[in-house]
Amino acid sequence: DARVTQTPRDKVTEMGQEVTMRCQPILGHNTVFWYRQTMKQGLELLAYFRNRAPLDDSGMPKDRFSAEMPDATLATLKIQPSEPRDSAVYFCASGLWGNEQFFGPGTRLTVL
Amino acid sequence: DQQVKQNSPSLSVQEGRISILNCDYTNSMFDYFLWYKKYPAEGPTFLISISSIKDKNEDGRFTVFLNKSAKHLSLHIVPSQPGDSAVYFCAAGSGKLTFGQGTILTVHP
Repeated sequence: DARVTQTPRDKVTEMGQEVTMRCQPILGHNTVFWYRQTMKQGLELLAYFRNRAPLDDSGMPKDRFSAEMPDATLATLKIQPSEPRDSAVYFCASGLWGNEQFFGPGTRLTVL
Repeated sequence: DQQVKQNSPSLSVQEGRISILNCDYTNSMFDYFLWYKKYPAEGPTFLISISSIKDKNEDGRFTVFLNKSAKHLSLHIVPSQPGDSAVYFCAAGSGKLTFGQGTILTVHP
């Protein structure tokens, strides 16, 4: 049963600290997406990759967020420095371009 | 600029009745439309989709209708069951997806 995995599931940190979230997409999927869910904004697209190449990261605050895909089995989302307004649930999803996306369980981030 | 909107934040339905969830979009370039269901503390799970060349797609109790001229999408659940209680997101796009705000469906026994 292929699934998208994300680590950590929960992260509590203090303002100013670096946070790294990891995602393992489903083997064979060529597209990886990062989303953030907040009460106000619903599901926001932060960035996505196709065949490991970053296609669009316009949804991310550029000064503090970065997304990378060092290999086909790992995507990372980093926040440095973190701020309380970054508190949210971050989802990774993978899929084949133009088809449905499969979501991971999410990382719940709390920045104090 | 919300290109995909779900105007009803919540919907309450009696078990066995029909649930109708609605979604409007503005971008006429969207050619693929999906519904996702989300339980608390889990990621969204894919439910059903429809391409722009169709106006209806069925999968068991779930039917999605697409009205391209009105730029409107709806999900019908018949009959509704208590286990259907969740947040439902509609999404639209062509490659990347834009999601609506979600509708909380509660099905009462």
